[in-house]
Amino acid sequence: ELKVEQNPLFLSMQEGKNYTIYCNYSTTSDRLYWYRQDPGKSLESLFVLLSNGAVKQEGRLMASLDTKARLSTLHITAAVHDLSATYFCAVDSDNFNKFYFGSGTKLNVKP
Amino acid sequence: EPEVTQTPSHQVTQMGQEVILRCVPISNHLYFYWYRQILGQKVEFLVSFYNNEISEKSEIFDDQFSVERPDGSNFTLKIRSTKLEDSAMYFCASSEVTGSGYTFGSGTRLTVV
Repeated sequence: ELKVEQNPLFLSMQEGKNYTIYCNYSTTSDRLYWYRQDPGKSLESLFVLLSNGAVKQEGRLMASLDTKARLSTLHITAAVHDLSATYFCAVDSDNFNKFYFGSGTKLNVKP
Repeated sequence: EPEVTQTPSHQVTQMGQEVILRCVPISNHLYFYWYRQILGQKVEFLVSFYNNEISEKSEIFDDQFSVERPDGSNFTLKIRSTKLEDSAMYFCASSEVTGSGYTFGSGTRLTVV
């Protein structure tokens, strides 16, 4: 079965610092998705990465995809408290009938 | 921005009772999904639905579960006889095409007591 592994699972950081969340997956999928989840809330789409080398940026977050390495990164620049949430990566199954989610990275940005 | 709407937001039910979770996908979307998330854990696939048929279902989606699109707008998940371990947040999602990501609903928190 496909595996999607995120690390770290927990990340506590100070405001203003930079950090990267990693998402490794075990299929040849050429697309990957990042979602944000606030406690008790839904999954908010952050980035849709549809090809090798795709890079997308929104505010202090930048996501990239390397399909050859089967790796996506979510880079946080100059973190602020509002970014505190759980971040999930997900990949399509081969037949596009479902997503496989990573375990999530719980980010806590301390003021 | 179009939304996927789920009702109720929270349901408490007794073990063994039937529950129906309701979803209104985005109107021009053709692919529908149910996922669930046990508190603090990863998001798990339950079922995908297209053209009035189940496309795929997971091992979790046993005979106690069913889905239906009773009209042109609603998409429901029924659990016939709930168990304690069915307690979770259930998310409905929809997409216009496959391979471009989904829009998730706000979720229904199901508590089985």
